[in-house]
Amino acid sequence: GAGVSQSPSNKVTEKGKDVELRCDPISGHTALYWYRQSLGQGLEFLIYFQGNSAPDKSGLPSDRFSAERTGGSVSTLTIQRTQQEDSAVYLCASTLGQETQYFGPGTRLLVL
Amino acid sequence: GDSVTQMEGPVTLSEEAFLTINCTYTATGYPSLFWYVQYPGEGLQLLLKATKADDKGSNKGFEATYRKETTSFHLEKGSVQVSDSAVYFCALTLSGGYQKVTFGTGTKLQVIP
Repeated sequence: GAGVSQSPSNKVTEKGKDVELRCDPISGHTALYWYRQSLGQGLEFLIYFQGNSAPDKSGLPSDRFSAERTGGSVSTLTIQRTQQEDSAVYLCASTLGQETQYFGPGTRLLVL
Repeated sequence: GDSVTQMEGPVTLSEEAFLTINCTYTATGYPSLFWYVQYPGEGLQLLLKATKADDKGSNKGFEATYRKETTSFHLEKGSVQVSDSAVYFCALTLSGGYQKVTFGTGTKLQVIP
């Protein structure tokens, strides 16, 4: 596609439920990142995929968070047993090794 | 580890005022430096970048110079407009195949007429 897309754009869930967030990177981009942006806060790195290499999961805040990238393209970020502190905007970005990151519009998650 | 430190906001300026947003960094290698901007209700987008010492990145009237001696990449604009109101993020990435990007916390700029 022309840009990075994310779905859903908004998600409201109840505490304790699992959620899945999807990212479609720009076609051909080899690297994909997930970030979290809480209200009034900066960007918190979550996970990074680069080609066929093992992902860098060093930013995942707990074992309730996981992500996968299928076929080197689409990525899904899963949050299990959601907590209210998980409420944030989840951003995805991709890059073709040119260092510039192209961001999606984000998924706004609200955990009630 | 690598880190980016930005001046805290929010920064409130009158239209046509001069803008400086400070950014300093620490890096284990030789980084490329970036400024990203997030306009209200929109996603982050690259504003400008510089890949080596003394390079000046520029775009939309904004400039930033890569200063290796002071490990800084301050963002400047001579005359801000209301449309420049946004959150600005300084970021770095190391050269080479592994391009994990480290972001600063962001600085919110509000320009009033």
